[in-house]
Amino acid sequence: DTAVSQTPKYLVTQMGNDKSIKCEQNLGHDTMYWYKQDSKKFLKIMFSYNNKELIINETVPNRFSPKSPDKAHLNLHINSLELGDSAVYFCASSPGTGAGNTIYFGEGSWLTVV
Amino acid sequence: AQSVTQPDIHITVSEGASLELRCNYSYGATPYLFWYVQSPGQGLQLLLKYFSGDTLVQGIKGFEAEFKRSQSSFNLRKPSVHWSDAAEYFCAVKGFQKLVFGTGTRLLVSP
Repeated sequence: DTAVSQTPKYLVTQMGNDKSIKCEQNLGHDTMYWYKQDSKKFLKIMFSYNNKELIINETVPNRFSPKSPDKAHLNLHINSLELGDSAVYFCASSPGTGAGNTIYFGEGSWLTVV
Repeated sequence: AQSVTQPDIHITVSEGASLELRCNYSYGATPYLFWYVQSPGQGLQLLLKYFSGDTLVQGIKGFEAEFKRSQSSFNLRKPSVHWSDAAEYFCAVKGFQKLVFGTGTRLLVSP
């Protein structure tokens, strides 16, 4: 059973479209994250939620809107997709927010905007 | 703010040879350090982590890493590399609430 699962794994879409990526964790963790990996493989945090509350928003454009319906789910909705949004988006979770909590990642969602 | 430097963008190692990937971190408090591996087209898998205690930590797949506070380093090692180890390796430091990654080192394994 996959601990952190995200769908879809691959997504090809046209500029201007709206798309969502879903994420679920079955680890019983309180904290969930979205990370973006760009074309140069650089990984950067986008958002973090703790117990369904947003705690980190790293200067991400307003077109990106995370939603956490419950502790086990953190979805990412992207409006008006742009070419520069093409990247790999990783969902992750950890038991809590403290520095000593290990973060576990999903398999990634490869988004290509054409 | 915490930061991580991985000075080597690419490293090529012969199969069976030893490996060392370098990582230097910057963090004002006790660092929590991690190594993750990303195989082509795959997600991020945790190799090992250092929180405290013994400065030499063992991980999965025969990897180990040594924490050296005086050098602000957390280098990853493996005594004998296998072709399946070819991947991208990321060092990361965790502060409050978030994990900060280095830019990664791509490992190529030659026959």
